[in-house]
Amino acid sequence: EVQLLESAGGLVQPGGSLRLSCAASGFIFSDCAMTWVRQAPGKGLEWVSAISGSGSSTYYADSVKGRFTISRDNSKKTLFLQMNSLSAQDTATYYCAKLPGIEVAVSPFDDWGQGTLVTVSS
Amino acid sequence: QPVLTQPPSSSASLGESARITCILSSDINVGNYRIYWYQQKPGSPPRYLLYYYSDSDKGQGSGVPSRFSGSKDVSANTGILLISGLQSEDEADYYCVVWPSNILFGGGTKLTVL
Repeated sequence: EVQLLESAGGLVQPGGSLRLSCAASGFIFSDCAMTWVRQAPGKGLEWVSAISGSGSSTYYADSVKGRFTISRDNSKKTLFLQMNSLSAQDTATYYCAKLPGIEVAVSPFDDWGQGTLVTVSS
Repeated sequence: QPVLTQPPSSSASLGESARITCILSSDINVGNYRIYWYQQKPGSPPRYLLYYYSDSDKGQGSGVPSRFSGSKDVSANTGILLISGLQSEDEADYYCVVWPSNILFGGGTKLTVL
């Protein structure tokens, strides 16, 4: 059974940083591209970033480009999202999700974690 | 900048059919893209339902009932999710997704089952 478990989010001050992680199990982690999707409170879903199975290719939404960095440690079956220069607009539940193939290609996000809430506030 | 527009809400009666639309902005042609659909219930992560490109290129998520189906209205540049035989547990938010260059989510449609 695929399991994706995000680390605890938390409260961060504006301008601050936070690193999220997503521990994966139940599938061959290195064979699957991964992605982060966020959802502001009461709002819709927004794609944030994606990374290929090898980690060599990364992609970002314009809203986070230059501030967020996606990475992965295949030996530890863990996905990361380093978030810098956070603002109130980054307040959201962050979900990690799995793609079925090794590349970030047109495909579904077929398994999702439960999400972790990040609140940016002073 | 491409945009996917969904009606904020929709309703249909138990046992009837619901049709949720996803209008693509004029800079992206629905005929060129797979439309992915996700369901999200309160307090839960999204669940992948299906994708539709054409009648010969479509796919259903694992365990998703066949009463969920997709289609397109090319003349209206619109992707469509059809849910037949509505059940109470179908009450949820539904999101369309397209990958023109980056990954785009529609704003979501809250479906109420009457």
